[in-house]
Amino acid sequence: EPEVTQTPSHQVTQMGQEVILRCVPISNHLYFYWYRQILGQKVEFLVSFYNNEISEKSEIFDDQFSVERPDGSNFTLKIRSTKLEDSAMYFCASSGPSGNEKLFFGSGTQLSVL
Amino acid sequence: AQSVTQPDIHITVSEGASLELRCNYSYGATPYLFWYVQSPGQGLQLLLKYFSGDTLVQGIKGFEAEFKRSQSSFNLRKPSVHWSDAAEYFCAVAPGYSSASKIIFGSGTRLSIRP
Repeated sequence: EPEVTQTPSHQVTQMGQEVILRCVPISNHLYFYWYRQILGQKVEFLVSFYNNEISEKSEIFDDQFSVERPDGSNFTLKIRSTKLEDSAMYFCASSGPSGNEKLFFGSGTQLSVL
Repeated sequence: AQSVTQPDIHITVSEGASLELRCNYSYGATPYLFWYVQSPGQGLQLLLKYFSGDTLVQGIKGFEAEFKRSQSSFNLRKPSVHWSDAAEYFCAVAPGYSSASKIIFGSGTRLSIRP
């Protein structure tokens, strides 16, 4: 089965630093998403992306967050100035041409902010 | 407001025993329901989904789930678990098939398998 790939699997950073989490969605997918899961809490939606723009975002996705599809294969999440509470597992997901297909999730990036 | 409750945080069952993971939802209309599994070091994998029709849904890896409207439940079952089933299981609800952004996940149930 095709896979969504996320790198790195674990990222440690100092508070206030910028981080970029990387994702390679499935090649023919057009809809891309970021979710996060704070330890012990539920998986939460952050943002969806289609046709090179954000289609929907949650309240969590404030000005310190941004997403980008810099080329034809990568999909990135940037956190501009990390805070301790940004520590979480971040999941990338993608879905097929119509957006109605199931989501394929990556294995996640564990972000630790010290 | 929509919500999903998984009342069991951690369940341990013996290998070969049957399994039932509970999920209750709160939603005004008939929602779209999902079960995902997350194995250690892996992403979230869709086990099965219910949109309409037969209330007993078959999924991958021998799992099934039954939608019970009267109980607002969508419990996941497997007749005989294998050690490889040890993972975190998430129930999720969405108002519409295309509304991926509105998928709400439960807090998860961690399944451990006793040899």
